[in-house]
Amino acid sequence: EVKLQQSGDELVRPGASVKMSCKASGYTFTDYAMHWVKQSPGQGLEWIGTIIPLIDTTSYNQKFKGKATLTADKSSNTAYMELSRLTSEDSAVYYCAMGQLDFDYWGQGVMVTVSS
Amino acid sequence: DIQMTQSPPSLSASLGDKVTITCQASQNINKYIAWYQQKPGKAPRQLIRYTSTLVSGTPSRFSGSGSGRDYSFSISNVESEDIASYYCLQYDNLPYTFGAGTKLELK
Repeated sequence: EVKLQQSGDELVRPGASVKMSCKASGYTFTDYAMHWVKQSPGQGLEWIGTIIPLIDTTSYNQKFKGKATLTADKSSNTAYMELSRLTSEDSAVYYCAMGQLDFDYWGQGVMVTVSS
Repeated sequence: DIQMTQSPPSLSASLGDKVTITCQASQNINKYIAWYQQKPGKAPRQLIRYTSTLVSGTPSRFSGSGSGRDYSFSISNVESEDIASYYCLQYDNLPYTFGAGTKLELK
């Protein structure tokens, strides 16, 4: 069974950074891409970027370049996303999702709240 | 960027109804469209990939069709468990883009 276990919810100060994780199990981590998606409160879905763990290649939505950094640790089957210089606009739920092109299975999401 | 225009934004249906949601892409997406269901407080769940392929576990009352720029997603015989929001995703070109969503409610 494919499972993506994301780290816990975060409360962070404006201007700070946050790094979240997505631990994969039930499939070969390097056979699939890992995508990251943002869902702002009461809003739709936005693609942030994708990492291909096998070759450590990343693609980013231009909107999130400089905001998000995607990495992957093949030894622990874990993908990471770091968000920097946080503002209230970054308060949202962030999902990881695995797939080759589309998004087959999703993690449970991490709620990030940016507040002083 | 490819824009995905999804309609309607909301839909009210009775149990047993057939409902249809459409997504129009701003350019040809070569059938690379997937459909997702999202219930409140939960992650999206993939139902259909490549326009019309039901993923494992998707009930047969769900279907998808289309080509070029125009795609549709239908639920025949709506059941109470289908009450959710639905999103289309184009994955033909980067950046991947989603439709704005359709909220399905019970009449």
